[in-house]
Amino acid sequence: GQNIDQPTEMTATEGAIVQINCTYQTSGFNGLFWYQQHAGEAPTFLSYNVLDGLEEKGRFSSFLSRSKGYSYLLLKELQMKDSASYLCAVREESGGYNKLIFGAGTRLAVHP
Amino acid sequence: GAGVSQSPRYKVAKRGQDVALRCDPISGHVSLFWYQQALGQGPEFLTYFQNEAQLDKSGLPSDRFFAERPEGSVSTLKIQRTQQEDSAVYLCASSPGTGVAYEQYFGPGTRLTVT
Repeated sequence: GQNIDQPTEMTATEGAIVQINCTYQTSGFNGLFWYQQHAGEAPTFLSYNVLDGLEEKGRFSSFLSRSKGYSYLLLKELQMKDSASYLCAVREESGGYNKLIFGAGTRLAVHP
Repeated sequence: GAGVSQSPRYKVAKRGQDVALRCDPISGHVSLFWYQQALGQGPEFLTYFQNEAQLDKSGLPSDRFFAERPEGSVSTLKIQRTQQEDSAVYLCASSPGTGVAYEQYFGPGTRLTVT
């Protein structure tokens, strides 16, 4: 079966750093994505990891450990506009194509 | 170019009514996915098309749900005899290919409310 866990809610202060963790148990692992979703909007791509290690992209970094089934998203220099849900999604290879299995999302509230 | 579009953006249906939700993927994208997102949850996979072929419908919750993509571009998700538990946001995503290198691009979703 598939199981993806991430905290339901987090709060942080503008300008600070926040780390959102994600643990997963899936079969046919083919990479892990982080998406940002503002209320009422489409999920938008933030990062992708398929190999162990850290991927950095501006204020956002994502880490993956395949042996531990663990990833985190690190957001630096938080801005008010970063208040959103952050979705961890594992890509599974299934029948010759790849589909995304999402966690429930972490709602991040950034306050002044 | 234009992203993935979906229509209508909002739909209110009375219980028992049939609804049809439309997805216009990015032009030329081979793969098309439908997801259902309940309030406060992550998207859940419903079905997958590769061009016009529906290769996976394992996520469709019941036989009241039907999806098609007859010409390999626009897709329609149809829900017959809607029930209150069908209330959710229905997201469509498309991807240029089928392999691991390809990211999925999401549309804004259709928010369905069944009263």
